[in-house]
Amino acid sequence: DADVTQTPRNRITKTGKRIMLECSQTKGHDRMYWYRQDPGLGLRLIYYSFDVKDINKGEISDGYSVSRQAQAKFSLSLESAIPNQTALYFCATRTAAGGTEAFFGQGTRLTVV
Amino acid sequence: QKEVEQNSGPLSVPEGAIASLNCTYSDRVSQSFFWYRQYSGKSPELIMSIYSNGDKEDGRFTAQLNKASQYVSLLIRDSQPSDSATYLCAVITQGGSEKLVFGKGTKLTVNP
Repeated sequence: DADVTQTPRNRITKTGKRIMLECSQTKGHDRMYWYRQDPGLGLRLIYYSFDVKDINKGEISDGYSVSRQAQAKFSLSLESAIPNQTALYFCATRTAAGGTEAFFGQGTRLTVV
Repeated sequence: QKEVEQNSGPLSVPEGAIASLNCTYSDRVSQSFFWYRQYSGKSPELIMSIYSNGDKEDGRFTAQLNKASQYVSLLIRDSQPSDSATYLCAVITQGGSEKLVFGKGTKLTVNP
């Protein structure tokens, strides 16, 4: 089983619908991140969390919200999806110890029609 | 100024050549730097991490860090077609709240 699991892997939804993307990890890491990826734009940070009580906005948080339900779970919500939120979304985790690397989930491909 | 910038590419090299990928960052106090490789539609995977000035070698890959110039690079020697991918530079910023920030990536194609 993957250490960082994202669900769903693919989703097509309609404009205006609420959708939640979920991320769970078995690595015991405290830091969790949500990124979106669009062609040619790299990974852009949406939200990140250092623990269940510490949530921070990234560079493109408008239109998104998050919930850190437990150390192992970090969910991303689109309250009212719009077509320009069509993208590949990645969850990542890392430990607080030093400057360690991030580990990524498999990604969720979201299409808003 | 973007927090992490990479040469835009795409970069095309013949098989066996050296591929050179470059990255600059804006947070002068950053201490941790990473290169990830990403195949189309897949998750990024770590290639190299570097924390101190100088060179760090791992097989065909060499990462170079110059904190005074705020510059990180990745050299791929004896490039192979399987190295064809997008390479992402990432930096843990220290100013304000710690963030893991990525550049836009450079797409590398190695031609047989």
